[in-house]
Amino acid sequence: SAVISQKPSRDICQRGTSLTIQCQVDSQVTMMFWYRQQPGQSLTLIATANQGSEATYESGFVIDKFPISRPNLTFSTLTVSNMSPEDSSIYLCSVEVGQGRTGELFFGEGSRLTVL
Amino acid sequence: GQNIDQPTEMTATEGAIVQINCTYQTSGFNGLFWYQQHAGEAPTFLSYNVLDGLEEKGRFSSFLSRSKGYSYLLLKELQMKDSASYLCAAKDSNYQLIWGAGTKLIIKP
Repeated sequence: SAVISQKPSRDICQRGTSLTIQCQVDSQVTMMFWYRQQPGQSLTLIATANQGSEATYESGFVIDKFPISRPNLTFSTLTVSNMSPEDSSIYLCSVEVGQGRTGELFFGEGSRLTVL
Repeated sequence: GQNIDQPTEMTATEGAIVQINCTYQTSGFNGLFWYQQHAGEAPTFLSYNVLDGLEEKGRFSSFLSRSKGYSYLLLKELQMKDSASYLCAAKDSNYQLIWGAGTKLIIKP
């Protein structure tokens, strides 16, 4: 298993500002995943963060808008840049634990962002 | 394209049994996951199926038919605390998770 601490848990932000979300894991993991979950919807993968290399972004997400850092095997940050109301969402970090690439995901508590 | 289908909402009675269905279409297949998500909380892992058949874990069971691209989650002896969204997700050939939109389960006394 894995215990993931994510902060902030929630924030209210002004349009045009940026916010950085932090994710700390209690064990070393190769990959960390950043998801977005808009109200009433399922999870959308933003990017996969590997330690020591550039994050891999999914279609529709770009590094300029969602820069990611992965300085070590237990920590990652996601920045939501130049925010607009459309960025209001829950942002979740997660790690995969288990054998090979078929393990289960553990999630942080989520960061609920409201952009005014 | 890749797709996961599951009902948007279901209602069941406390003490009863409910089955939540999920159909998937993916490029390759590396397993089917079910997660539970209570309102305002993060998803938590419930089950994983990669072979055909039924996996039982306490009050929860999960079934997979790879030939039909079909899975279901069976919840027995429903409790009020089972009110939550249930997310079905399949891993494709690249081990990418494809998520369903979730089924909101409402338990009534």
